Amino acid sequence: AQTVTQSQPEMSVQEAETVTLSCTYDTSESDYYLFWYKQPPSRQMILVIRQEAYKQQNATENRFSVNFQKAAKSFSLKISDSQLGDAAMYFCAYRGMYSGGGADGLTFGKGTHLIIQP
Amino acid sequence: AAGVIQSPRHLIKEKRETATLKCYPIPRHDTVYWYQQGPGQDPQFLISFYEKMQSDKGSIPDRFSAQQFSDYHSELNMSSLELGDSALYFCASSYGQGALTYEQYFGPGTRLTVT
Repeated sequence: AQTVTQSQPEMSVQEAETVTLSCTYDTSESDYYLFWYKQPPSRQMILVIRQEAYKQQNATENRFSVNFQKAAKSFSLKISDSQLGDAAMYFCAYRGMYSGGGADGLTFGKGTHLIIQP
Repeated sequence: AAGVIQSPRHLIKEKRETATLKCYPIPRHDTVYWYQQGPGQDPQFLISFYEKMQSDKGSIPDRFSAQQFSDYHSELNMSSLELGDSALYFCASSYGQGALTYEQYFGPGTRLTVT
């Protein structure tokens, strides 16, 4: 079974600065997807960014970018120019490429609570 | 843009009662997923449907069942409710299955409280 580990329960950053959230995962598959989801106090799960394992190029979405290291099974999220609205719980998630055996669903890490200091 | 709709948003039930949660996926999305998120926990995958057929099962209790209807909406039926079933229940939708699946988009969730 796949596992996702987020080793930072909580991170704090000053507004306008850059912060990196860590995520490692364990899998025996070669093809898969990785995601970062944001869960603000409203509890809505919002997709931040996605990475396909077969792509070497790191995904970028505006101020959000990832550092995907497939051999190391590492998938960190960098948030540049942090804003107060970025404050939330951030979940790293894994999904295999193919269906069945529970693989349809996302496997989440325990989350990192990001605090933005004004 | 249209999002995933879940109803009701809040539900209070007593132990041993039954609850039904509804999910309306994003238009043209054909795959629906159900997740359970306990207090302070990460979401856990329960079950998924693709083109009205059960696609995959995760950690769904036997007391729970679900189905997807011809209009692609889905319902999660929960019977003999227990205090431990109190949680936030998310529905997510996507287009395609398996290797063709795009990212999952989540609804706002239904908060179930069992007393």
